[in-house]
Amino acid sequence: EDQVTQSPEALRLQEGESSSLNCSYTVSGLRGLFWYRQDPGKGPEFLFTLYSAGEEKEKERLKATLTKKESFLHITAPKPEDSATYLCAVQERSRLTFGEGTQLTVNP
Amino acid sequence: DAMVIQNPRYQVTQFGKPVTLSCSQTLNHNVMYWYQQKSSQAPKLLFHYYDKDFNNEADTPDNFQSRRPNTSFCFLDIRSPGLGDAAMYLCATSRGFTTSGGSTDTQYFGPGTRLTVL
Repeated sequence: EDQVTQSPEALRLQEGESSSLNCSYTVSGLRGLFWYRQDPGKGPEFLFTLYSAGEEKEKERLKATLTKKESFLHITAPKPEDSATYLCAVQERSRLTFGEGTQLTVNP
Repeated sequence: DAMVIQNPRYQVTQFGKPVTLSCSQTLNHNVMYWYQQKSSQAPKLLFHYYDKDFNNEADTPDNFQSRRPNTSFCFLDIRSPGLGDAAMYLCATSRGFTTSGGSTDTQYFGPGTRLTVL
């Protein structure tokens, strides 16, 4: 059975303090790893898809990387508007298996 | 510009009173999904439609049903809501895997419907 574990559960940063979120996974046949951002009371917003180990993708202050066992979401010089829950999900066949998420708070 | 639309955004129902949640999409995607998300938990897939083919998850209670009358619309019916069914219900869509290739199939989510059961 696919498993996705995200750490830490919660992360509090000061504005401008860079950090990384971790997503470790076990899946028999990975077809893709996804990162989503979810604001309170809203649906997940798609950020990135990573296909294979060594791949990297960037969007503004966010950069996602992938190895064979884990993915990192690096946040460089975060701003308060980056505060949200970040969800990682792996795709095997047509199903997505989500992690529990990391709740990020960026204080001004 | 909304691509996946869910109505209503907030729904209050009484214990045991049937309720229907609605999802529509403007993406012309083949696949539509329903997820249940409880507070501080991961979204949990209930079922999905690939075109007209219904795919139920093994652990989805019989109390939850779905209909997809056409490509654009999909409904979630909860026949007899219990207190434990209070949650955010998320609809998502994707193109679907095709025989022509593509190793991933990105899902796009709607804003969700928050269901309260009194």
